[in-house]
Formats: sequence, C-alpha cells, structure tokens
Amino acid sequence: DQQVKQNSPSLSVQEGRISILNCDYTNSMFDYFLWYKKYPAEGPTFLISISSIKDKNEDGRFTVFLNKSAKHLSLHIVPSQPGDSAVYFCAASASTGGFKTIFGAGTRLFVKA
Amino acid sequence: DAMVIQNPRYQVTQFGKPVTLSCSQTLNHNVMYWYQQKSSQAPKLLFHYYDKDFNNEADTPDNFQSRRPNTSFCFLDIRSPGLGDAAMYLCATSSHSGGGETQYFGPGTRLLVL
Repeated sequence: DQQVKQNSPSLSVQEGRISILNCDYTNSMFDYFLWYKKYPAEGPTFLISISSIKDKNEDGRFTVFLNKSAKHLSLHIVPSQPGDSAVYFCAASASTGGFKTIFGAGTRLFVKA
Repeated sequence: DAMVIQNPRYQVTQFGKPVTLSCSQTLNHNVMYWYQQKSSQAPKLLFHYYDKDFNNEADTPDNFQSRRPNTSFCFLDIRSPGLGDAAMYLCATSSHSGGGETQYFGPGTRLLVL
C-alpha cells in the first residue's frame, strides 16, 4: 500500500522555466511533509518542508504547496537550473501515532541547458 | 564537516553468505535508520534505533538484523542474503523521532548478491 505516491517517474524542463513536481498521499494522519533531493552517488538531502497548518512554504527558488483537501502537494522550482537535475523524493510523517516517515518513489528531474 | 558515512560503497556477496554493512555518524544524533531501496522504488524503512532502543518494522524479514554498539555506529547484518536482497541500503540519522524530523542520509551501500 503506497501511502505516498509520485506518479511521474521523470520530468524534463528547459533551463529558466518552472519545474513542478507532484506528490499525493492517502493517510489523513500525515501532518508534516518534506522534499529531499538526491544526486547520483550521494544520499538524499533535505530540501524543504511544510507543516499541515500551512498551505505554502517558500525558500529561495523552491516553493512547496499543500492542498490538504486533495491530499496533494507540489514542489515548484523557479527558475530551473541545470544543477537542479536530480531525483526528488516526497516524504510524509505524522506527529502523533508513532508514524514513521514514508517516502515516495521519487521523480527524476532533467533540466536542459 | 558533520556527516553520515557508509562503508563500503559497493558490496558483492554470494547467495547465502552473511554480510555486514556499516554506518557511522559525526552528528551525534540519537536516531539511526536503515532503509532498503530497490531500483525506482521508494526507500523502505527496515528498522531504527532511538539511542539503544531498537525498533523493527513489522514487515522486515528476520534475515535482517542490526546492531548499534554506540552512538556513532550502526551495522546492518544480512544473515543469508538472497537474490532479492540486492539493493541500495541507506543509513540515515536524525536528532529526534516521532514525526517531522529531518533525516540526514549517507551515500548508501549498493549490495550485489551473486
């Protein structure tokens, strides 16, 4: 049972344009969401997060949007740069109930120069 | 730089031959995790330690064991590797657990079972 789904295995975007990576979840207990970025031969690194009390969190070129009613979040990267080419993992957790963090399968982003 | 280190980066073992993967951290974090990631799949939590308290996931096979002799080190033992255990094994740490924690990952050990 995949509680966190990233339905697009890959995404290709032109440099300077917007990248939008999507993530859906099924468990309504999730109240904290994170995005991790992974380069080849490296472990995932934390990128940005959002609590369920917010619907938007911004950090420089990266913005995460949360739609709780749709159980959907998205990561926007504007403008996209070739160095953003990586695998992006969506993750979700709950502050109660002892839930572990659940990861999605990742979306591979290619930013073309 | 504080970090999570995994050795070796690549491990080849034979079917049924025990293998141990190592993880160390200089972050002094309380929590250490082991994940298994197969190609194009989500990282799957095998178990985690909060200090010395071991927490096994319900669906982690008995073939997988772990040891944490001190704060800095954690080991993953695969007692009798099968072909299906070939995967990337990721170690991660966090300062706390219980939801919302940022995890810090090592580069992973890719296990090949012949």
